[in-house]
Amino acid sequence: NAGVTQTPKFQVLKTGQSMTLQCAQDMNHNSMYWYRQDPGMGLRLIYYSASEGTTDKGEVPNGYNVSRLNKREFSLRLESAAPSQTSVYFCASKGATDYQPQHFGDGTRLSIL
Amino acid sequence: KNQVEQSPQSLIILEGKNCTLQCNYTVSPFSNLRWYKQDTGRGPVSLTIMTFSENTKSNGRYTATLDADTKQSSLHITASQLSDSASYICVVSADYGQNFVFGPGTRLSVLP
Repeated sequence: NAGVTQTPKFQVLKTGQSMTLQCAQDMNHNSMYWYRQDPGMGLRLIYYSASEGTTDKGEVPNGYNVSRLNKREFSLRLESAAPSQTSVYFCASKGATDYQPQHFGDGTRLSIL
Repeated sequence: KNQVEQSPQSLIILEGKNCTLQCNYTVSPFSNLRWYKQDTGRGPVSLTIMTFSENTKSNGRYTATLDADTKQSSLHITASQLSDSASYICVVSADYGQNFVFGPGTRLSVLP
């Protein structure tokens, strides 16, 4: 039971570098999400995709872009990394009805030097 | 502003003891309230989901309560085990959409 798979698990970047975080789910969920988790704060939504072909901004979208490649995959791109983007990034997916849990991956720990 | 607060920030208990974690929210309109468990280095895992009409929901040794009038929820853990050491996150779903408001979590440590 893979659930939600995120790659890579760890990454160190220099300021100004770019990279893409990958996320894939095998539960046939329509909705997918990208969050960041910082110490002492709740998870904050970066972007979400309610269905294949659609994406919407969340609470903290600046500096990020996303692509919903197909129903399974939802990627997050940092075009020019900044130290403020050092965080743990979580991808999640959820089924169609409101009364279903979000399923999370195990996160990507990203450090920007 | 939609907000979820949790207390205490951290808690240490001995194995076998019970504990209760608190969640207060100011989220409108309210759809449902969720509790998640997050082990160190892992993603959150769902424990319970409650709508406004549900007062109590259990999942094994975990029992969540909801008072929609006072906008408070609690998570009670019975007969704690070492494996209960984790962060517990309260999440409120607003407006039946994709708006999930996360609390900062309570860090629970269970000692032998």
